[in-house]
Amino acid sequence: SQKIEQNSEALNIQEGKTATLTCNYTNYSPAYLQWYRQDPGRGPVFLLLIRENEKEKRKERLKVTFDTTLKQSLFHITASQPADSATYLCALVPIYSSASKIIFGSGTRLSIRP
Amino acid sequence: ETGVTQTPRHLVMGMTNKKSLKCEQHLGHNAMYWYKQSAKKPLELMFVYSLEERVENNSVPSRFSPECPNSSHLFLHLHTLQPEDSALYLCASSQDHSELITDTQYFGPGTRLTVL
Repeated sequence: SQKIEQNSEALNIQEGKTATLTCNYTNYSPAYLQWYRQDPGRGPVFLLLIRENEKEKRKERLKVTFDTTLKQSLFHITASQPADSATYLCALVPIYSSASKIIFGSGTRLSIRP
Repeated sequence: ETGVTQTPRHLVMGMTNKKSLKCEQHLGHNAMYWYKQSAKKPLELMFVYSLEERVENNSVPSRFSPECPNSSHLFLHLHTLQPEDSALYLCASSQDHSELITDTQYFGPGTRLTVL
């Protein structure tokens, strides 16, 4: 069956360390993969998009990698801060389709302790 | 603010009630979506409207009925719901079929629905 999985339900790390979240998928050929942040009681907010032909994308303290051989995307937050605590969602859109086919993972709840 | 608003933010209803959720986007987008988010489960895409026409309906029960009167407004009409329908209902919009073809979703804050 087709599915997208995020490595863990929750991740706790010390402030200042790098947080690494994993998104694995099976039986898809993604055109691109997106990462979103969701705070309690709010809708997800788009962070980064990486296309199938890109290996890495950066935005300030955020970095996303995409390995189509491993069928995996990694999301890194460097110099993590308590304000980075939130749930992070990955989403992919299969190749030759549009957002009407977007599939989300169940999310990883990240907690950064001071 | 993302430019997508939803009302009400919270709704409690009985199984025999009829209610509607409203979504409005101020981003000039041409596609709108309804999602269901339940605890510890992935976001479930329910309905997609592109250019005001429904293009996706992911086997959602008929007790959920969407309506898209124009590209800025989206409704979800609810009737005879079940307790398992209790969830966060999220509306989103995107610019579909654009040159960028990123389909980035812009979400509203959601409506927390409780069915008694």
